[in-house]
Order: sequence, then structure tokens, then C-alpha cells
Amino acid sequence: TQLLEQSPQFLSIQEGENLTVYCNSSSVFSSLQWYRQEPGEGPVLLVTVVTGGEVKKLKRLTFQFGDARKDSSLHITAAQPGDTGLYLCAGPIGSGNTGKLIFGQGTTLQVKP
Amino acid sequence: GAGVSQSPSNKVTEKGKDVELRCDPISGHTALYWYRQRLGQGLEFLIYFQGNSAPDKSGLPSDRFSAERTGESVSTLTIQRTQQEDSAVYLCASSLASGSQYEQYFGPGTRLTVT
Repeated sequence: TQLLEQSPQFLSIQEGENLTVYCNSSSVFSSLQWYRQEPGEGPVLLVTVVTGGEVKKLKRLTFQFGDARKDSSLHITAAQPGDTGLYLCAGPIGSGNTGKLIFGQGTTLQVKP
Repeated sequence: GAGVSQSPSNKVTEKGKDVELRCDPISGHTALYWYRQRLGQGLEFLIYFQGNSAPDKSGLPSDRFSAERTGESVSTLTIQRTQQEDSAVYLCASSLASGSQYEQYFGPGTRLTVT
């Protein structure tokens, strides 16, 4: 069974600090995705990483896919209150390219002004 | 254009009653997914529709759960004889086609509370 474990589960930091969120599995994934979800809304896709060792940047967010494609990290530089939310990693499951996703349990980030 | 919409936004029901949740996908999106999100947790895949193909029901937790989709439009998720453990947010997502290369667009969810 494929599982995605995220750490930490909760993170409360001051504005301007840096942070890293981890997403780990014992299984190999063809790709991993990162989503951000705000209260009362559905998740919104931030990035998809598909190549082992790949690094993608989205403004102050840096995403990395592990060389073995079993893990990924999200690093936020100089966090802002607007970064507050639930961050979820997800990967495809099942045979065939159906788009079905398995999600990690999420990391709740609170950035205090 | 309009995103994915879901109704109702909130539903409170008594244990043992049936509920029906609705999802309106983005027009032209052939793939539609239902997920369940328990409080403070990630999303759990339930069922997936692609065009007119038979749905993939592999994630449904019990035979009390069923879903239908009319062509490539509206989908309804039905939970019969609701139990307290069914309390969760039910999220629907649609994508242009099936496959992990296509972005899934999520609706705001229906928060179901079973008392």
C-alpha cells in the first residue's frame, strides 16, 4: 500500500522565518504534487514534480523531488501571513494513468505577523 | 469561467438517514473525482469517472456509498443509512481528462455532519 507521510503536522512561526515541510514514502512515485488548502475551500495545485532530483521554484517557495522519487520537500523563504494554510502532498495511485491521487495527512502552517 | 461547484455547502443529518451530495464540474472536463477529508486529515480517494466509461469505485469505504454521473456533467454522491464516522468534508474535483498530467480543480466541498 502506498502511503505519504508528511512532517511536521503543525508549524507556527513568525513572519520572516524560513521553514521546510517534508513528504516521505517507502514507495516510488512517478510524480508528486503539492497543494495548498485554505479553510472552507478545496485544495489548489501549487506544483508537480516529475523527475528525480528536480527543483522547482514558485516565488518564495522551493519544491524538490528526491533522487529516488520517494520523497519531496517544500521550503518557504521569509514566510508571510498569506502563506498560512494546509499544505498537502499527493501522488498518483493505482495501475494506469487515471489521475487518482493519494494524499499525505497535511501540514498546517500558521504564520504570525 | 466558473469553477467546480458543490451543494449543499453544509449538511447536518441524523444517523440512519440518506444524503445526496452534488457536484457540478467545469464544463468540458471529462474526468471527475470524489474525495473525503476527515478533520485535520488529508484527502481520501473515493470514486472516479472518466467520460462514459464505467466508474472506478475502488475507494468507496462501504456499499452504503454510491455515486452517479450523467454523461460528462453533474455527479451525485449518495450515502445511505449515514453513520457518525461518515462525518467529513466531501470534495469533488474535475480535470480536462484523466491522468496525473492534468490538473485537478477542486470544489469547496460539502461539510457533512451526522448527529
